[in-house]
Amino acid sequence: DAGITQSPRYKITETGRQVTLMCHQTWSHSYMFWYRQDLGHGLRLIYYSAAADITDKGEVPDGYVVSRSKTENFPLTLESATRSQTSVYFCASSARTSGTQGETQYFGPGTRLLVL
Amino acid sequence: KQEVTQIPAALSVPEGENLVLNCSFTDSAIYNLQWFRQDPGKGLTSLLLIQSSQREQTSGRLNASLDKSSGRSTLYIAASQPGDSATYLCAVPSSGYALNFGKGTSLLVTP
Repeated sequence: DAGITQSPRYKITETGRQVTLMCHQTWSHSYMFWYRQDLGHGLRLIYYSAAADITDKGEVPDGYVVSRSKTENFPLTLESATRSQTSVYFCASSARTSGTQGETQYFGPGTRLLVL
Repeated sequence: KQEVTQIPAALSVPEGENLVLNCSFTDSAIYNLQWFRQDPGKGLTSLLLIQSSQREQTSGRLNASLDKSSGRSTLYIAASQPGDSATYLCAVPSSGYALNFGKGTSLLVTP
């Protein structure tokens, strides 16, 4: 019953460094998502993936890169971290899209990232 | 763009009270609506999912209703307990794949 895990849970980095946040789910869910949560903005979608090797941009994709070579993993990379990317990052997964068939999303515990 | 609004932003009630949290959305053409709970420093936990064809869903002391035509949903919590203290978020599908969240209602239940 591992569910969905994220690593690291906390990360401090410096401006300009590359950072990769990991997400792993054990349900073989097709859909995976990355959100960031900021005071005043709530949760915003960064990227999502409908299946292995299929990814697409969300509301705030600039400065981020994703990949999905395996169904269970969906890493998020900040290519050159900026202070505005200080945030809490949540990974989520669902068996189907949240659209027509109304499948709930399951969230990981989050990664708290501080960019100095 | 779908806008989701939650009122109030914060709420404090004494233990035992029944309470209602509100969620409104601008585009009524939704497939479903979900309510989540978020504890401080934690991830989100799904509480209830209401399909567009349903008017309400119940889980224990929680009851969520959906009125698509008016663009509103309510989360009713009966006999509140200190353990119910958390932030409650509602979310609707955005363009069929991800979720569009409200900013949440922060609930404090005092003993």
